[in-house]
Amino acid sequence: QVQLQESGPGLVKPSETLALSCTVSGDSVSSSSYYWSWIRQSPGKGLEWIGYVSDSGSTNYNPSLKSRVTISVDTSKNQFSLRLSSVTAADSAVYYCATDRPEVGTTSRFFDTWGQGTQVIVSS
Amino acid sequence: YVLTQPPSVSVAPGKTARITCGGTNIRSYSVHWYQQKPGQAPVLVIYYDSDRPSGIPERFSGSNSGNTATLTISKVDAGDEADYYCQVWDFSSDHYVFGTGTKVTVL
Repeated sequence: QVQLQESGPGLVKPSETLALSCTVSGDSVSSSSYYWSWIRQSPGKGLEWIGYVSDSGSTNYNPSLKSRVTISVDTSKNQFSLRLSSVTAADSAVYYCATDRPEVGTTSRFFDTWGQGTQVIVSS
Repeated sequence: YVLTQPPSVSVAPGKTARITCGGTNIRSYSVHWYQQKPGQAPVLVIYYDSDRPSGIPERFSGSNSGNTATLTISKVDAGDEADYYCQVWDFSSDHYVFGTGTKVTVL
């Protein structure tokens, strides 16, 4: 059973880059068929999918954040990471890493494993 | 693609809670549901419209028809008080979409 753990600074200054990592245990980040995602939740708000990186290294991002987001894999550390540039107070949120591993032939995808989340505040 | 949920649902203990998730022709998507308790990460409670992961009580069930998917919680107890989110995967864009979320209050 895969387990995920987020890490990174809890405070980021406006206009700087938010950088978080998600450490994967229980399997390799390069194992086949995984999609490694980042999801955030602003205070008192709903869930917002940010984007994913796949086991092959391909990425896909939420159009609302695409110009500022980079998600990548570090196989040496068995981690995947999120970078969000030019942050503002609106980017303050709890950030979750999550994964799905769709079976061959399935027609939909969902998140069956989540990290505990890490809170990030954007403030000077 | 937009998924709309009622902001809140209130239910008495022992009764049935129904949480809706509206979207244009949502029946053409598979709908998944998550439960999120305060300060915790979401937990998958229903996938593929009506399947339950292991460990999820049979009291949780789901359906999907027309423009509305529904999560039903029967014999509600205080432990079911949480926020619930629906989610679909948009095949054409390869994007995940969450609903607006519903807070379930047990009276």
